[in-house]
Amino acid sequence: KQEVTQIPAALSVPEGENLVLNCSFTDSAIYNLQWFRQDPGKGLTSLLLIQSSQREQTSGRLNASLDKSSGRSTLYIAASQPGDSATYLCALPNQAGTALIFGKGTTLSVSS
Amino acid sequence: EPEVTQTPSHQVTQMGQEVILRCVPISNHLYFYWYRQILGQKVEFLVSFYNNEISEKSEIFDDQFSVERPDGSNFTLKIRSTKLEDSAMYFCASAWTGTNTEAFFGQGTRLTVV
Repeated sequence: KQEVTQIPAALSVPEGENLVLNCSFTDSAIYNLQWFRQDPGKGLTSLLLIQSSQREQTSGRLNASLDKSSGRSTLYIAASQPGDSATYLCALPNQAGTALIFGKGTTLSVSS
Repeated sequence: EPEVTQTPSHQVTQMGQEVILRCVPISNHLYFYWYRQILGQKVEFLVSFYNNEISEKSEIFDDQFSVERPDGSNFTLKIRSTKLEDSAMYFCASAWTGTNTEAFFGQGTRLTVV
């Protein structure tokens, strides 16, 4: 059964820092991995989707990497801004590919 | 940009009452989902729906829950007799070809059972 862990649970950084959020998973036979952003009390906004055949995916200041063999993905945020403050979730499909399994998220706070 | 729309944004109901949460998925998507998030906990899968039938459901999705696609645009989640522990944020999601492609989520309905 796929399990998803995100470390750290919370992170505080000053504006302008580059940072890395981590996601690990137990079953490397995955279809893809998706990173989401969640603002307090709000919905989930899709940030990046990495297919299992890819190693990286970039969108603006965000870069996500995937290493299936080690069961890890990282989300790199460059030049962080206060507006980046949110909870970041990673999610992977289950074995049947019929549902997403989520990590608990990393709550990021960027101070100005 | 197309988006998943959920209504209402917040619903308060008394224990034992029926509630219906509504969703309008992205128009050309074929796969539809409900997830929930209890405050402070992980987002949890409830049910997936494809070709007018349930394709998978979790242990959470017991006989008190049902889903329906009554017309070509709406997708609903019904809870027949709400319990206090049903209080959560409920998210609807849709995807073009199942979870092999990007899933798009709505803004959620916060359900409070009192």
